[in-house]
Formats: sequence, C-alpha cells, structure tokens
Amino acid sequence: QQPVQSPQAVILREGEDAVINCSSSKALYSVHWYRQKHGEAPVFLMILLKGGEQKGHDKISASFNEKKQQSSLYLTASQLSYSGTYFCGTVKIQGAQKLVFGQGTRLTINP
Amino acid sequence: GAVVSQHPSWVICKSGTSVKIECRSLDFQATTMFWYRQFPKQSLMLMATSNEGSKATYEQGVEKDKFLINHASLTLSTLTVTSAHPEDSSFYICSARTGSSSGNTIYFGEGSWLTVV
Repeated sequence: QQPVQSPQAVILREGEDAVINCSSSKALYSVHWYRQKHGEAPVFLMILLKGGEQKGHDKISASFNEKKQQSSLYLTASQLSYSGTYFCGTVKIQGAQKLVFGQGTRLTINP
Repeated sequence: GAVVSQHPSWVICKSGTSVKIECRSLDFQATTMFWYRQFPKQSLMLMATSNEGSKATYEQGVEKDKFLINHASLTLSTLTVTSAHPEDSSFYICSARTGSSSGNTIYFGEGSWLTVV
C-alpha cells in the first residue's frame, strides 16, 4: 500500500536540479507532495489529481503520469532552503481520504 | 490558509501515566482528522482516522485501547496515549482535510513530541 519513493537520499550543490519519484503498484486517485524540515511538521507543496497533469510554482513542479501510478517532483536551480525530507502521500480512491506516505527522500543542498 | 493546531508541542511523562494530545482545526470544520506517528528518520505512519461523532478507525497493528481517540466536535480531535511506555516516545502529528472532496488539501498540525521516561 505504501508508495515507493526514490531515491532515498540526494546531495546537491546549490543551483543543481533534482528529481524525486513516487510510484504505486495500482492507479491512484491523487498524489500529495510535502517537505519536512527536521523537527517540524510537513509542509504542503502541491496536489495532483489528473493523469498527465503537470503543475508547479516557482522552481518546484510535479507531474502525474497518464496511468496515475507515478508522480515526480522536480526541483530546479535548488536553493539552500530546499533542504529537507520530501514525502509523497497518496490517496487510493475518491472518498477514501486516507493519505499514505512514502518512506521519504532526504535532500541535502550544500553551498 | 487553513490552520491545524496541536497542543502540547512537546511533553515529557513518566512511564505508566497517560498523555492527551489535542488537534484543532482553527478556521474550518473537519469531520475527519488523521493521527500519524513518526519515529526519527522514518516516514509518517497513519495510526487512525478520527471521525466526528463516531468511533475512530484504527490501522492494522495499532492498539485502540492504548491510543484512545475522541472527536467530539467538528474542530477538535484528541489522542490519549494510555499507560505510556518509553517505546511510545515519538513525534505524533495530526492532519485535517478541508472541503468535502478527497482532492482538497490536507493540512498538518505542528506535531507533538512525546518523551516517556
């Protein structure tokens, strides 16, 4: 049931790009992306509902493939503030409400 | 934006005592709230779904008699860790969803650090 995230960890230099993937064995209703800083609560980034959808703000964007089984989070020209652990949360069916999280991807941005 | 507040943000208790954590939706009504537990360097694990006016739905492996959930109003859910033990020490976090569709945003509380000594 738990979605699979990859990679588990990424280390970048400031200004480099990163891609984080989230995969499910079955089609999903929606995918939610969050970033969590150490010792803090997760912060909502975005939600994707439609197959083939792409959305984003600033230099963080995400896609949801046509089959609705895979989502990717794109971080371009990374900034130091992007450091943290990124989680995808998935909802399996409409009305189910439960959000199940992947194991997380730890992103470290070095100056 | 929607705000979910948790209290206390941290608590230290003695082994064998009970601890209550509150989760409030401050500017919206939440018929459903969710409780998660997160151990260091691990993911958020869903413990239970809290339903206003009815019994909570627990995930497999979560002891309902140990983790008591009450959702007495549309803006408040409480989690009580009964007879706490050191292995219950963790980061407990609640979330609530705005709107009536599962496509709407899910917001998290600030989390509560529980340390059992």
